[in-house]
Amino acid sequence: GEDVEQSLFLSVREGDSSVINCTYTDSSSTYLYWYKQEPGAGLQLLTYIFSNMDMKQDQRLTVLLNKKDKHLSLRIADTQTGDSAIYFCAENGAFSNTGKLIFGQGTTLQVKP
Amino acid sequence: ETGVTQTPRHLVMGMTNKKSLKCEQHLGHNAMYWYKQSAKKPLELMFVYNFKEQTENNSVPSRFSPECPNSSHLFLHLHTLQPEDSALYLCASSQDRTGGDEQFFGPGTRLTVL
Repeated sequence: GEDVEQSLFLSVREGDSSVINCTYTDSSSTYLYWYKQEPGAGLQLLTYIFSNMDMKQDQRLTVLLNKKDKHLSLRIADTQTGDSAIYFCAENGAFSNTGKLIFGQGTTLQVKP
Repeated sequence: ETGVTQTPRHLVMGMTNKKSLKCEQHLGHNAMYWYKQSAKKPLELMFVYNFKEQTENNSVPSRFSPECPNSSHLFLHLHTLQPEDSALYLCASSQDRTGGDEQFFGPGTRLTVL
């Protein structure tokens, strides 16, 4: 079945780069997503990448996709304390026309001043 | 109100109670979703509605009963819940169900079942 895995915790210092990794199992995914959840809030879409791309950059965010290894990463440059949150990787797998997304457990990013 | 709103934000109920969660989206979207977020578990999709029709039921127990009277409103009716149903219930909406359509999430309802 579909499975998305992430490491649970990452701690970095303010100003450093953060790299959050994710692996997935369903090679039929057409879209892969990164969502951010701040305390007491719902999930907010940060960025997504189409499966025929291997990189997408959006200001401080860089998404890398290695489709052969089914590995997705999110790099946050110049990490700020406001970036502290839980980051979820998600894929749409074989459900590209149903709206169904498979989420990982989330990576808690702690940014130390 | 803008975006996706959910009420109540917090709910405590006994196992014999009946309660309802409400979600409203002000974005003109056609698809709405219920998710369950439990501690230390991945976010789980429960139901998908598209143009008021249920298109996905992810093997959810019948003690959870969704209702979508129109494209802007989604309810989750709860009855005879179990303590393990305690979780954050998130509602989301998107323009359509196809891939690439951003799902906008509400802040969630924190449910505690005693």
